[in-house]
Amino acid sequence: NAGVTQTPKFQVLKTGQSMTLQCAQDMNHNSMYWYRQDPGMGLRLIYYSASEGTTDKGEVPNGYNVSRLNKREFSLRLESAAPSQTSVYFCASTGQGVGNTEAFFGQGTRLTVV
Amino acid sequence: GEDVEQSLFLSVREGDSSVINCTYTDSSSTYLYWYKQEPGAGLQLLTYIFSNMDMKQDQRLTVLLNKKDKHLSLRIADTQTGDSAIYFCAGNTGGFKTIFGAGTRLFVKA
Repeated sequence: NAGVTQTPKFQVLKTGQSMTLQCAQDMNHNSMYWYRQDPGMGLRLIYYSASEGTTDKGEVPNGYNVSRLNKREFSLRLESAAPSQTSVYFCASTGQGVGNTEAFFGQGTRLTVV
Repeated sequence: GEDVEQSLFLSVREGDSSVINCTYTDSSSTYLYWYKQEPGAGLQLLTYIFSNMDMKQDQRLTVLLNKKDKHLSLRIADTQTGDSAIYFCAGNTGGFKTIFGAGTRLFVKA
């Protein structure tokens, strides 16, 4: 099982450029999440999708959009990248274990905006 | 909302015990977790405890929960260099949002 797969692993963008981070899970999980990780701040939830066809804002949604393409895939889009969006982005999914709250994470995308 | 706080760094010698501490604000958290993040990787669930438990032991890991003080700790016995990682405390009230602490970076000196 691949688990949660994110692409790309690394990306450098210029301010104002757009890009989409891709995420796919093969565990048949209902819920998927996008987090960003910044030094000293832990993981902050950007958006989540409780189930296919639904998306909701998390703690830090400004500057981002998401699409739950199907049950497997959940993408994160930066329409106009800003240096403040330099971070490591993690996709996660939940659906089994510990009352369905155990999160399974991808390996992360390290994004630098210059 | 929930807030989870933990110290940022801990350094121990190989073979010693490590104790990583965490405090949380939401007493309705049903599940409390410890996740481990190794360099260049995502987080992986290490262990968890239900809010109705005081202690959970899993091989070298011991989790203690003090509900009165809203304090969670993770003890790693006989710490090895392979335990060097970032450890995240997290809480969930049973819904879709898990709140993570900032992470404690554990350094293990040989």
